[in-house]
Amino acid sequence: AQTVTQSQPEMSVQEAETVTLSCTYDTSESDYYLFWYKQPPSRQMILVIRQEAYKQQNATENRFSVNFQKAAKSFSLKISDSQLGDAAMYFCAYRSAGANSKLTFGKGITLSVRP
Amino acid sequence: KAGVTQTPRYLIKTRGQQVTLSCSPISGHRSVSWYQQTPGQGLQFLFEYFSETQRNKGNFPGRFSGRQFSNSRSEMNVSTLELGDSALYLCASSQVVPGTDTQYFGPGTRLTVL
Repeated sequence: AQTVTQSQPEMSVQEAETVTLSCTYDTSESDYYLFWYKQPPSRQMILVIRQEAYKQQNATENRFSVNFQKAAKSFSLKISDSQLGDAAMYFCAYRSAGANSKLTFGKGITLSVRP
Repeated sequence: KAGVTQTPRYLIKTRGQQVTLSCSPISGHRSVSWYQQTPGQGLQFLFEYFSETQRNKGNFPGRFSGRQFSNSRSEMNVSTLELGDSALYLCASSQVVPGTDTQYFGPGTRLTVL
């Protein structure tokens, strides 16, 4: 079974600084997708970024980028120029490319942003 | 496009009752998944429907059931509610082929069981 591990329960960053959130996963499959979702206090789960395992290039979405290390099964999220609105819970998630796959989430990390 | 909608947003029930939650996916999305979120267990997969067929099921008791209609709207039902069923229930939809498309989440239904 696939597992997703987010070992840091909480992190804090100064506004305008950069922060990296860690995630590791365990799978025996070669084709899969990785995601970072943000859940602010409103509880609405918002997709931040997505990475296909077959792509070597790291995904980037504006201030958000990932460091995808397939061999190490590591998928970290870097937030640049942190803003107060980035404060939220962040979940790393894995999904196999198979037709009947499900989304498996990590426990999440609470990110606070200091003004 | 309108996002995923879930109704009701909040619900209070008592033990032993049953409840039905509704989810309307993004227009054009045919896959709907349900998740339970609790502080202790985190986000857990309940089930996934695609074209009115259940394609995958998580490790939940038979009290939890669901269905999907021809317009892709989905409902989940919990019978004989227990205190431990108190949670945020999230619905997510994705486009045509499950497993290859990103899931987009609704705002959730907060269920409280007294």
